[in-house]
Amino acid sequence: DVKVTQSSRYLVKRTGEKVFLECVQDMDHENMFWYRQDPGLGLRLIYFSYDVKMKEKGDIPEGYSVSREKKERFSLILESASTNQTSMYLCASRTTGLGEKLFFGSGTQLSVL
Amino acid sequence: TQLLEQSPQFLSIQEGENLTVYCNSSSVFSSLQWYRQEPGEGPVLLVTVVTGGEVKKLKRLTFQFGDARKDSSLHITAAQPGDTGLYLCAEGGNTGNQFYFGTGTSLTVIP
Repeated sequence: DVKVTQSSRYLVKRTGEKVFLECVQDMDHENMFWYRQDPGLGLRLIYFSYDVKMKEKGDIPEGYSVSREKKERFSLILESASTNQTSMYLCASRTTGLGEKLFFGSGTQLSVL
Repeated sequence: TQLLEQSPQFLSIQEGENLTVYCNSSSVFSSLQWYRQEPGEGPVLLVTVVTGGEVKKLKRLTFQFGDARKDSSLHITAAQPGDTGLYLCAEGGNTGNQFYFGTGTSLTVIP
């Protein structure tokens, strides 16, 4: 079975901390994504990567950065966490070509106090 | 940014009832996907519709793509508690690498 694994299900951090969210996929997909999910707002794209060391900003990149050193791993970094970054974070990877689809991890619920 | 509106936002029904949820856009979809997200999990793809007027069935779920490709609906027949979850529509394809998601319909099926 295909798998996208996020390193933590729940995280609690303090304002100002640097936070790393890790995501690993085992499907050799080139495209990987980070979304945040908030009630009433749906999924909003933070960053995506279409290849190793390549990244593009999504709709809400402010306060975040990403790293893609290896094809299977896509990391989301909160340089200085703030309370408005409390959210559910979802990582996904994507097949390409006909029938393209997103595979999601189980999510990381981050609380910034 | 593509704007996808889903309705209703919340829906609570009794087991055995039928329901329909909707996804609308002011722009033409290149293709549209429906995902279901169960509590504590990530979304899982249910179906992709591509052609205007297309109808796809997945057991008790019927997906319809509008003729003008600006709207879609998901109809569930005889809902079961296992259908409980957040239903999300998403548009992708002609927006490059991005998929744009609707705000979702949260469905609760009461036994």
